[in-house]
Amino acid sequence: AQKITQTQPGMFVQEKEAVTLDCTYDTSDPSYGLFWYKQPSSGEMIFLIYQGSYDQQNATEGRYSLNFQKARKSANLVISASQLGDSAMYFCAMREASSGGYQKVTFGIGTKLQVIP
Amino acid sequence: DAGVTQSPTHLIKTRGQHVTLRCSPISGHKSVSWYQQVLGQGPQFIFQYYEKEERGRGNFPDRFSARQFPNYSSELNVNALLLGDSALYLCASTLPDNTLYGYTFGSGTRLTVV
Repeated sequence: AQKITQTQPGMFVQEKEAVTLDCTYDTSDPSYGLFWYKQPSSGEMIFLIYQGSYDQQNATEGRYSLNFQKARKSANLVISASQLGDSAMYFCAMREASSGGYQKVTFGIGTKLQVIP
Repeated sequence: DAGVTQSPTHLIKTRGQHVTLRCSPISGHKSVSWYQQVLGQGPQFIFQYYEKEERGRGNFPDRFSARQFPNYSSELNVNALLLGDSALYLCASTLPDNTLYGYTFGSGTRLTVV
């Protein structure tokens, strides 16, 4: 089974509107972390937001919020008031413990977001 | 403060050649990870190093190797290059206990094998 599933290959959103990018995950580890990264065409992966598996509140960072539904194993990213500069690839990722004593991070396939003026 | 720096930014190699990619982590970060991102895919984990020791390895052949130096910089080596090794290679650094803010990535090295 895929560890991280992003089912939206591409999304369009009107400037100033909100958009939700979907992410579901699969793990049997009770302690894990979920991340969202933005990758512009330049290639750099930019950290956006983090949610720990034991966090009671949904994470928020400025215009980004993470809609964490633990029972459904989903961690959707909500971007409010979209801007043209938000056009990029967005990756959901999960960190879980590994037998080697390191923290393994698995990425999804990504969603390409395009903001329309 | 300087972020994660990677060199070179672009590279073209011929099949069968060897390549070395370099990464300098953020000051104070002791853990470095390497990822391969093939066009149209998410990054795939290759290696993680902490305090000069390999702590984790992804599902990559032995042609891929890495090392970390006393100043915590790192090199990724790939031998006997194949066309399929063409990808963006990303380096990420983090504090030893995997900080709340996750990994900080460099801009990557874009490798093209012809």
